[in-house]
Amino acid sequence: AQTVTQSQPEMSVQEAETVTLSCTYDTSENNYYLFWYKQPPSRQMILVIRQEAYKQQNATENRFSVNFQKAAKSFSLKISDSQLGDTAMYFCAFMKRPGNTPLVFGKGTRLSVIA
Amino acid sequence: GAVVSQHPSWVICKSGTSVKIECRSLDFQATTMFWYRQFPKQSLMLMATSNEGSKATYEQGVEKDKFLINHASLTLSTLTVTSAHPEDSSFYICSALAPYTDTQYFGPGTRLTVL
Repeated sequence: AQTVTQSQPEMSVQEAETVTLSCTYDTSENNYYLFWYKQPPSRQMILVIRQEAYKQQNATENRFSVNFQKAAKSFSLKISDSQLGDTAMYFCAFMKRPGNTPLVFGKGTRLSVIA
Repeated sequence: GAVVSQHPSWVICKSGTSVKIECRSLDFQATTMFWYRQFPKQSLMLMATSNEGSKATYEQGVEKDKFLINHASLTLSTLTVTSAHPEDSSFYICSALAPYTDTQYFGPGTRLTVL
């Protein structure tokens, strides 16, 4: 079975600064995806970024980037130029390939962006 | 693209009644949908995997006779909470697997309150 661990229950960052959220996972699978989802106060789950395990290049989406270390089973999310709208719960998630399998979520990190 | 809707967004019902929640993929066909439950300040807990045209696969501890799932078309899955009780009060979220992307997109959730 797969497990996902987010060791930072809460974090805060000043507006315009950079913050990194940590995520580690455990699996015996070799072919999988990793995701970061954001859940703002509205509770709508929003995909932030996706990484395929077979790709060595780290995924980036505008101000969001990941540091994927497959051997260490680490998948951290870096948010640059933090904005007030980034305030949310962030969930790291694992999914085996093919994609018709459930996501395995971490417990989440609550990020507060302070003006 | 990749929009998923849920209806209703909020429902209050009396104990002993049944409630149906709909999950629709609006701009893509989803052979696989997932139903999650989320308690306040917690992560998402998978309830079941719903495959179009076949029976749902329930997670251990989830009563299949209480939480009826029907995935009758490629764009609609329904969750019916039968004989609801106050302990069933929760936030229910669905997700749909977008084809060729191996990525799940989430509905906005349904808040169920059983009196």
